[in-house]
Amino acid sequence: AQKVTQAQTEISVVEKEDVTLDCVYETRDTTYYLFWYKQPPSGELVFLIRRNSFDEQNEISGRYSWNFQKSTSSFNFTITASQVVDSAVYFCALSEEWDSNYQLIWGAGTKLIIKP
Amino acid sequence: DAMVIQNPRYQVTQFGKPVTLSCSQTLNHNVMYWYQQKSSQAPKLLFHYYDKDFNNEADTPDNFQSRRPNTSFCFLDIRSPGLGDAAMYLCATSRDQDRAHEQYFGPGTRLTVT
Repeated sequence: AQKVTQAQTEISVVEKEDVTLDCVYETRDTTYYLFWYKQPPSGELVFLIRRNSFDEQNEISGRYSWNFQKSTSSFNFTITASQVVDSAVYFCALSEEWDSNYQLIWGAGTKLIIKP
Repeated sequence: DAMVIQNPRYQVTQFGKPVTLSCSQTLNHNVMYWYQQKSSQAPKLLFHYYDKDFNNEADTPDNFQSRRPNTSFCFLDIRSPGLGDAAMYLCATSRDQDRAHEQYFGPGTRLTVT
């Protein structure tokens, strides 16, 4: 069973629009961590955020915000007032203790295209 | 700046000709990872080192080997590259493995097999 689902394969918006990238996860662990990484065309994966399962507070960092909802097993990522530099592939990942000793379980990624 | 460095950024090798990719880190992290990432896919973990302890993923082909001579360096050896091994190879580090620390990635080495 797929543990991290990013249903949106590709999203294209015009600059300055807000955009939300969805991430749904599945786990039996009570202690787990969720991550978002950004991979621009250059190829390097850039860490954006880590959230543990006991902290459901939403987080805002500049134009980025994350909405963690355990009730729906979702950890969605919103970019406000998008910019061309936000164009990248975004990966959501899950880390569990019981099975994988905290190895990352990756979603398939969402390719975000911001048009000028 | 502390970072993860991969050399070379682009590597071309011939079918069957051994190739070595290198990774170094200045973060002094205990854990180093090697991932393979093919086009439009998520990274796939090949193996990782926790200090000197080597951990191979069950589905990593025997064709892939790794060495970690010291804390700072880690190498990926592909003994007989096939056309299917053409991919981006990403090195990553994390502080430790018994807690979910974030992983820091290098820029990757794009391998072409001719």
